[in-house]
Amino acid sequence: GESVGLHLPTLSVQEGDNSIINCAYSNSASDYFIWYKQESGKGPQFIIDIRSNMDKRQGQRVTVLLNKTVKHLSLQIAATQPGDSAVYFCAENPMDSSYKLIFGSGTRLLVRP
Amino acid sequence: DVKVTQSSRYLVKRTGEKVFLECVQDMDHENMFWYRQDPGLGLRLIYFSYDVKMKEKGDIPEGYSVSREKKERFSLILESASTNQTSMYLCASNRGGGLDTQYFGPGTRLTVL
Repeated sequence: GESVGLHLPTLSVQEGDNSIINCAYSNSASDYFIWYKQESGKGPQFIIDIRSNMDKRQGQRVTVLLNKTVKHLSLQIAATQPGDSAVYFCAENPMDSSYKLIFGSGTRLLVRP
Repeated sequence: DVKVTQSSRYLVKRTGEKVFLECVQDMDHENMFWYRQDPGLGLRLIYFSYDVKMKEKGDIPEGYSVSREKKERFSLILESASTNQTSMYLCASNRGGGLDTQYFGPGTRLTVL
């Protein structure tokens, strides 16, 4: 993911609806991907991860989909709740680095009551 | 649960002061990281440590130094704070060995006047 400027893309959803947040990653050799949630004034919180040998992984109310052909990652949140309001960003681990993560700039999710 | 703590949530310092930001993790993680987060620029790696007394420069090390005297503690030092170092500073850690998510602390919002 690349920085997209000062204003984050925003997704506004109705409480109870499903949310889909997208991320275009940059390195076709990346082999590990992570989704983080960051609430205002707090540090990023791990949500779910996926390795490049998978195309789907499910957690509690969240699903991550990986499409390596188009270098696209998505996070699906089922039955979105007000507590899900936050900035979500993806991170990729390039295969040539054991530690480096490349972070996307994020998407702001707003949940309407 | 992984716990990463940072010594201060908010810090205000004056230009030219020496600033210490402390980070402690309680999961016996090998790797520790310092990032800064700025609007529109995402998370940028300042320094990384893969073992006690070992460090590597990240993408933006200028104006910063680090210290890792004990495995659980990683300090970020601003030798002479400047206004362009006003930012959110985030510490993270992970086990190491590749394909491992990084767990973040709550962040320190530093303002340099």
